[in-house]
Amino acid sequence: QKEVEQNSGPLSVPEGAIASLNCTYSDRVSQSFFWYRQYSGKSPELIMSIYSNGDKEDGRFTAQLNKASQYVSLLIRDSQPSDSATYLCAVSNNRLAFGKGNQVVVIP
Amino acid sequence: KAGVTQTPRYLIKTRGQQVTLSCSPISGHRSVSWYQQTPGQGLQFLFEYFSETQRNKGNFPGRFSGRQFSNSRSEMNVSTLELGDSALYLCASSLGGPSSGSHSSYNEQFFGPGTRLTVL
Repeated sequence: QKEVEQNSGPLSVPEGAIASLNCTYSDRVSQSFFWYRQYSGKSPELIMSIYSNGDKEDGRFTAQLNKASQYVSLLIRDSQPSDSATYLCAVSNNRLAFGKGNQVVVIP
Repeated sequence: KAGVTQTPRYLIKTRGQQVTLSCSPISGHRSVSWYQQTPGQGLQFLFEYFSETQRNKGNFPGRFSGRQFSNSRSEMNVSTLELGDSALYLCASSLGGPSSGSHSSYNEQFFGPGTRLTVL
């Protein structure tokens, strides 16, 4: 079982819609959870961190954490073409483990 | 506040050579982690340094090594380069808490622009 799994293929969403990304992790004792955005040819950029169960909102982004189900999600509301990127889920126990990422394409 | 810087940005080497990459963390950050990113494997953890000590290590061969200096700057060295070492090498810095797994924003990592290494 992979440490961090992001199984969805590329996600195409129309401009203004909600993009929903999911991530599961295997290490039950993981403490910190992050979402990074990576534009093509660029390095990952931290957009959200979440440490406790529930929702955390920051602008158009909402991260959701469910430790019992070992599940983290990211919602992007009112998607914009500038949101087109690969989104990486990262989980930290004693080091940061990354999922393979989900590509999001926002269609104007 | 200046971000994480990495030098050089691009490198072309041949098999068997060695290479040293440099990373300067955000001012005040004491932890530096190194990652290898390839299209097939994604982002893979190499190692983490905190206060000049290697705190964690990933599953890479001994050809990959690193160190951290007293000013928190870090270097990564790859010896006897192989074709498969071609990748984007990223470093990330964080404030660094007492434990790299602690439930704390001290462990939020910020990435540099990366060094693109091509091995011919």
